[in-house]
Amino acid sequence: QKEVEQNSGPLSVPEGAIASLNCTYSDRVSQSFFWYRQYSGKSPELIMSIYSNGDKEDGRFTAQLNKASQYVSLLIRDSQPSDSATYLCAVNSMEYGNKLVFGAGTILRVKS
Amino acid sequence: DAGITQSPRHKVTETGTPVTLRCHQTENHRYMYWYRQDPGHGLRLIHYSYGVKDTDKGEVSDGYSVSRSKTEDFLLTLESATSSQTSVYFCAISESGLPRVAGKRNTDTQYFGPGTRLTVL
Repeated sequence: QKEVEQNSGPLSVPEGAIASLNCTYSDRVSQSFFWYRQYSGKSPELIMSIYSNGDKEDGRFTAQLNKASQYVSLLIRDSQPSDSATYLCAVNSMEYGNKLVFGAGTILRVKS
Repeated sequence: DAGITQSPRHKVTETGTPVTLRCHQTENHRYMYWYRQDPGHGLRLIHYSYGVKDTDKGEVSDGYSVSRSKTEDFLLTLESATSSQTSVYFCAISESGLPRVAGKRNTDTQYFGPGTRLTVL
């Protein structure tokens, strides 16, 4: 079983819509959760971090964490073509010395 | 890229040759990491360092070694490159390895370098 699972997509949404990206993880004691954005041929760029259950908002981005369900999501409001990228979910895992384990990523395409 | 550089950015080499990739940071962060990224696998941790001369293995460490003689430099060596090591390699840094909030910063947040594309023929 993979530590961190994401739907590979592609997820296609029209410009201006809400994009919803989901991630599940297997380590029940994980404490740190991150969303990175990666454009093709570029390095991952941090978008959001979340540590507590509930929602965390930053501009057009909202991260949601539910530790009981072992589920973390990223909502992108008013999606723009420039949001088209691969979104990586990362979770710390005790199995690897508390280091981050990444999902394979979800490809998001925003169509104008 | 948060004061992180990687060299070389691109390299083509032949099977059986040694290869060393360099990561250099100007942030004075304690933790440094090497990942590889392959289609369908996402980012996988190869080795990490939690201080000068302090290193440990990650998920996919076989065939790789690392060294850290200075805070700012973390070297990844492929002693005898194989075609299965063709990949994109990313270096990352973080202030600490544990979830901790210092002011408005989360100190275990990792920041990535620009990457090195390695092809082993």
